[in-house]
Amino acid sequence: NAGVTQTPKFQVLKTGQSMTLQCAQDMNHEYMSWYRQDPGMGLRLIHYSVGAGITDQGEVPNGYNVSRSTTEDFPLRLLSAAPSQTSVYFCASSHRGYGRVKQETQYFGPGTRLLVL
Amino acid sequence: KNEVEQSPQNLTAQEGEFITINCSYSVGISALHWLQQHPGGGIVSLFMLSSGKKKHGRLIATINIQEKHSSLHITASHPRDSAVYICAVGIQGGSEKLVFGKGTKLTVNP
Repeated sequence: NAGVTQTPKFQVLKTGQSMTLQCAQDMNHEYMSWYRQDPGMGLRLIHYSVGAGITDQGEVPNGYNVSRSTTEDFPLRLLSAAPSQTSVYFCASSHRGYGRVKQETQYFGPGTRLLVL
Repeated sequence: KNEVEQSPQNLTAQEGEFITINCSYSVGISALHWLQQHPGGGIVSLFMLSSGKKKHGRLIATINIQEKHSSLHITASHPRDSAVYICAVGIQGGSEKLVFGKGTKLTVNP
């Protein structure tokens, strides 16, 4: 049981390049999310998905695309990298809760450190 | 104003001390999560709670829904407890997103 995996661990891009950050989980979790973490700020939600074929925007979606074709995978695409996208990116997953609790215990990937020059 | 506020931002303690980290929120929530981020960057979930109190080893988390406040306590702190502790809330009736505090950096000296 690998949990949540992310690749790559570290990436350097030039402004304008595109790339895909990979995220996969093997726990059959319905809910998957992408966050970015910047110094002095809390984790901020980029995009999330409540199941295969369903995605929605978070707090900071501009410049990023996602898709969820399977339960296991939730890739994050940077369309045209900008220096403002230099950050650490975390993928997380959880089971959907019951009743008024929407998300159960969160499981995080190890993170991807991205530097855009 | 942030929806989730943590205090203190930084905390230094001596080994063996009792630690309290606070989290206040301004919205109705369905659940509150406490997370730990290790110096190497990995994030693990410590607790998820929607009422009352939970205990795991030396860690205790409490929540007061009426006062919109939660505390994370560490008894008999140890240098290995040094980490950033993050509070996150699920917004009640919202679109299933979590909102995070900025974290409390704890350093426990031997």
